[in-house]
Amino acid sequence: AQKVTQAQTEISVVEKEDVTLDCVYETRDTTYYLFWYKQPPSGELVFLIRRNSFDEQNEISGRYSWNFQKSTSSFNFTITASQVVDSAVYFCALSDLGAGGSEKLVFGKGMKLTVNP
Amino acid sequence: EAGVVQSPRYKIIEKKQPVAFWCNPISGHNTLYWYRQNLGQGPELLIRYENEEAVDDSQLPKDRFSAERLKGVDSTLKIQPAELGDSAVYLCASSPTESVFRETQYFGPGTRLLVL
Repeated sequence: AQKVTQAQTEISVVEKEDVTLDCVYETRDTTYYLFWYKQPPSGELVFLIRRNSFDEQNEISGRYSWNFQKSTSSFNFTITASQVVDSAVYFCALSDLGAGGSEKLVFGKGMKLTVNP
Repeated sequence: EAGVVQSPRYKIIEKKQPVAFWCNPISGHNTLYWYRQNLGQGPELLIRYENEEAVDDSQLPKDRFSAERLKGVDSTLKIQPAELGDSAVYLCASSPTESVFRETQYFGPGTRLLVL
């Protein structure tokens, strides 16, 4: 069955610190997609990245970077030089075909990041 | 391009009252989703529409929840009667095609429901 685990529930850092958000997933499929979403206090889930299971290249976008490792079933997210505006809840999510071809997007429980000035 | 629009943003009702939420997806997106997000949890799917058809409503509590997407665009989610445990954020999302598997879902701001 699909499962996404975000072991950290809450992290607090001081501005300009680097912070890594962990995500571990479980799936029986060989083809799947992984996502990160950001949910600021306003409530809207903002899409950050999508990665398919065949592309293990790490990705960098500005201060954001993602490390995908199939060997450990992890898709970790690092924010470099954090800023107060990065304060939000971050969700990792997995989509696969599921049992019987039932496609579904499954979210982790989220990790609340607080960046203090 | 406008994002997913939801209304109302907040709703406070007494238990046993009915409540309805409205969603307008991104223009051109055929697939629409309703999720429920309990406090401290990730969103969980309630129902998925492909155009007008509800193709996955397995997680929708059908005794009190109903949804419709009459013209394949806007959608309404209703709860009648509401219970205390229904307090949550109700999120609407849309994606361009029917492939849940491949497509990125784009979310609206949600409706925060409080049942007293």
